[in-house]
Amino acid sequence: EVQLVESGGGLVQPGGSLRLSCAASGFTFSSYEMNWVRQAPGKGLEWVSYISSSGSTIYYADSVKGRFTISRDNAKNSLYLQMNSLRAEDTAVYYCARDGGYCSGGSCYSGPFDYWGQGTLVTVSS
Amino acid sequence: QPVLTQPTSLSASPGASARFTCTLRSGINVGTYRIYWYQQKPGSLPRYLLRYKSDSDKQQGSGVPSRFSGSKDASTNAGLLLISGLQSEDEADYYCAIWYSSTSWVFGGGTKLTVL
Repeated sequence: EVQLVESGGGLVQPGGSLRLSCAASGFTFSSYEMNWVRQAPGKGLEWVSYISSSGSTIYYADSVKGRFTISRDNAKNSLYLQMNSLRAEDTAVYYCARDGGYCSGGSCYSGPFDYWGQGTLVTVSS
Repeated sequence: QPVLTQPTSLSASPGASARFTCTLRSGINVGTYRIYWYQQKPGSLPRYLLRYKSDSDKQQGSGVPSRFSGSKDASTNAGLLLISGLQSEDEADYYCAIWYSSTSWVFGGGTKLTVL
């Protein structure tokens, strides 16, 4: 059974830092691209960051670029999100999501997010 | 203007059909993109429903009933999610998403479905 379990959320002051973790099990973690997606209270889904299966390719949403760092440790089946210079607008539930990916006609494509963790709440407030 | 625009809400009766739109910003051709649809019920995780690019490039999510289907309307540059035979359990928020410019995922703002 695929499981994604996030941890590391909590209350932090503006300008502070947090490191989120996502422990993966039930699948070959090193074969899958991974993402962080967040959802502010009562709001919609917002993609945060992507990392390729090897960790060699990384993308960020403009809203977090330069402040957040995604990484992974395939030996530990873990995904991370280092969040610095946190702002009130970063308050959200943060989900790690597996990118199912698929290949067709000799090409491979990202998507969908086929498994999601239960999320961890990050609250940025003084 | 957002990359993806969804109506805030949609209401329909049990047994009827619901048509969700996901309009791509002018200049972004819907024909080029795979549109992904997700359902999120209150207090629950998002659930992948389906992917649609064309009738020859589509995928139903695992365990998703066939009454959920995808399509496109090129005339309005929109991706569509169609739900037939609406049930009360279909009440949820529905999000579309695309892998944009090969560097970022973009979600629509979501549409809240009320089954009256």
